[in-house]
Amino acid sequence: AQTVTQSQPEMSVQEAETVTLSCTYDTSESDYYLFWYKQPPSRQMILVIRQEAYKQQNATENRFSVNFQKAAKSFSLKISDSQLGDAAMYFCAYRTRGGGADGLTFGKGTHLIIQP
Amino acid sequence: KAGVTQTPRYLIKTRGQQVTLSCSPISGHRSVSWYQQTPGQGLQFLFEYFSETQRNKGNFPGRFSGRQFSNSRSEMNVSTLELGDSALYLCASSFLNTGELFFGEGSRLTVL
Repeated sequence: AQTVTQSQPEMSVQEAETVTLSCTYDTSESDYYLFWYKQPPSRQMILVIRQEAYKQQNATENRFSVNFQKAAKSFSLKISDSQLGDAAMYFCAYRTRGGGADGLTFGKGTHLIIQP
Repeated sequence: KAGVTQTPRYLIKTRGQQVTLSCSPISGHRSVSWYQQTPGQGLQFLFEYFSETQRNKGNFPGRFSGRQFSNSRSEMNVSTLELGDSALYLCASSFLNTGELFFGEGSRLTVL
């Protein structure tokens, strides 16, 4: 079974600064998706960014970018110019292409605090 | 375009009762999956439906069941509720069964 590990239970960053959230995963598959989801206090899970394993280029979405290291099984999220609205729980998630038996496998999450 | 809608948003039950939760996916999405979120266990996969067929099932007891209707709406049922079933139940839909998931706001179940 696949596992996803987020080693930082909580991170704090000053508004306008940059923060990087870490994620490692373990899988024997070669083709899969990786995601970062954000869950603000309202509780609705929102997709931040997605990466397909066969693509070498790191995904970016405005202020959000990833550093995908397939050999190292690492998938970190960088948030630039942090804003108060970025405060939330961030979950790293994995899914086998073709829809594996385990659905989305989530990490335990990182609570991101934005200091004004 | 309406998002994923889950009902009810909040509910309180007592041990031994059963509960049914409903999920309406985004229009055009045929895949619906369910997740349980608790502070201790985090987010855990319950099951996934695609075109009315259960495609995958997580490691949960048989008390947890689900189904999907021809209009892609889905329900999940938990019978003989236990205190440990208290959780946020999240439903997610996707256009293709391997694409990114779009989540609803969840149903918060409290078992007393």
